[in-house]
Amino acid sequence: DQQVKQNSPSLSVQEGRISILNCDYTNSMFDYFLWYKKYPAEGPTFLISISSIKDKNEDGRFTVFLNKSAKHLSLHIVPSQPGDSAVYFCAASTGGSNYKLTFGKGTLLTVNP
Amino acid sequence: NAGVMQNPRHLVRRRGQEARLRCSPMKGHSHVYWYRQLPEEGLKFMVYLQKENIIDESGMPKERFSAEFPKEGPSILRIQQVVRGDSAAYFCASSPGSGTNYGYTFGSGTRLTVV
Repeated sequence: DQQVKQNSPSLSVQEGRISILNCDYTNSMFDYFLWYKKYPAEGPTFLISISSIKDKNEDGRFTVFLNKSAKHLSLHIVPSQPGDSAVYFCAASTGGSNYKLTFGKGTLLTVNP
Repeated sequence: NAGVMQNPRHLVRRRGQEARLRCSPMKGHSHVYWYRQLPEEGLKFMVYLQKENIIDESGMPKERFSAEFPKEGPSILRIQQVVRGDSAAYFCASSPGSGTNYGYTFGSGTRLTVV
């Protein structure tokens, strides 16, 4: 039972364009969502998060949008840079056990120069 | 300030041997979490520990797996009598308080290969 789904295993975009990574969830108890970036042979690095009381959070080139009714969130990267090429994981937690993250399978983003 | 340190980075074990994975949290962090990533999968929660206490081990397999975080020294994830299905990347994370709100930082992982 996969509670966090990233349906696109990979995404390729041109440098300077927008990258949009999508994530769907099924557990309505999730109330905190995070995006992590992971390079090969390294651990995940936190990028940005959003609480369920918000529908948007922005940090520099990264913006996360949350649509609770659709149980969908997305990460926008504008403009995309070659150094953004990595695997991006969507993760979620519930208030009752906010230490436990449920991860999606990840999306490999390739930004072409 | 060193990040979360995991060692070894790579570990090869024969079936039936024991694997010991170590995790030293960031300075000032007293909360440790272990995750496992099987090939082509996302990370899956295994266990949450504070010093000398297991808080939540709901993600640990019922047999052969154990974890500890002693008063002194690193957190240890132990896998006894390893099998091929244990081959995975094991990641440790730490935080200064409980949960992701406090800045949950991951280490680079230990890649376990069972031959």
